Amino acid sequence: DAGVIQSPRHEVTEMGQEVTLRCKPISGHDYLFWYRQTMMRGLELLIYFNNNVPIDDSGMPEDRFSAKMPNASFSTLKIQPSEPRDSAVYFCASSLGSAGVRNEQFFGPGTRLTVL
Amino acid sequence: KNEVEQSPQNLTAQEGEFITINCSYSVGISALHWLQQHPGGGIVSLFMLSSGKKKHGRLIATINIQEKHSSLHITASHPRDSAVYICAVPGGTSYGKLTFGQGTILTVHP
Repeated sequence: DAGVIQSPRHEVTEMGQEVTLRCKPISGHDYLFWYRQTMMRGLELLIYFNNNVPIDDSGMPEDRFSAKMPNASFSTLKIQPSEPRDSAVYFCASSLGSAGVRNEQFFGPGTRLTVL
Repeated sequence: KNEVEQSPQNLTAQEGEFITINCSYSVGISALHWLQQHPGGGIVSLFMLSSGKKKHGRLIATINIQEKHSSLHITASHPRDSAVYICAVPGGTSYGKLTFGQGTILTVHP
């Protein structure tokens, strides 16, 4: 398996533009996680899905952020409109089961987002 | 919410030294994760452990469930071990997700 695939790897955009990040989880994994990593706040969970259904979106910063998982092999994280404070590395991860039941998470390479 | 504290935040060592990174958490868990992130790189899962000790090459992870504490040890450290090491535990606003420590930045000099 190719592992978790994310695209794009780097994104530079201007404030106010819409940004869409994409993730393909490992085949067969039931859980998908979106994380944001910054120097100030470290690694934070934004949202996670189980069987394509959003379970916990309490980490989504505000209404400008939205995430979808239309099928088991694809998810998107959208920021509209983007702001400079959204600049971060966004990671997608997937796992066979819940983190609470001893399931290892596999991370994608991340998307480095810069909002000018 | 499960609070996760790592120490030290920064660690500098000479090649060959024995390294210890500590992680404490506030709420009982089913398993604890140790992750590694190289500069500019992705995140790799090193260990997932629920009791006792696990070893992989020069890396050893231990956990004491009663004391809510885990340690990551690196024997005979090498410059390629330079990375950020992050511990994570289940829990938070929902059981199915991980809560992360702030990470330990390890630099090993030749």
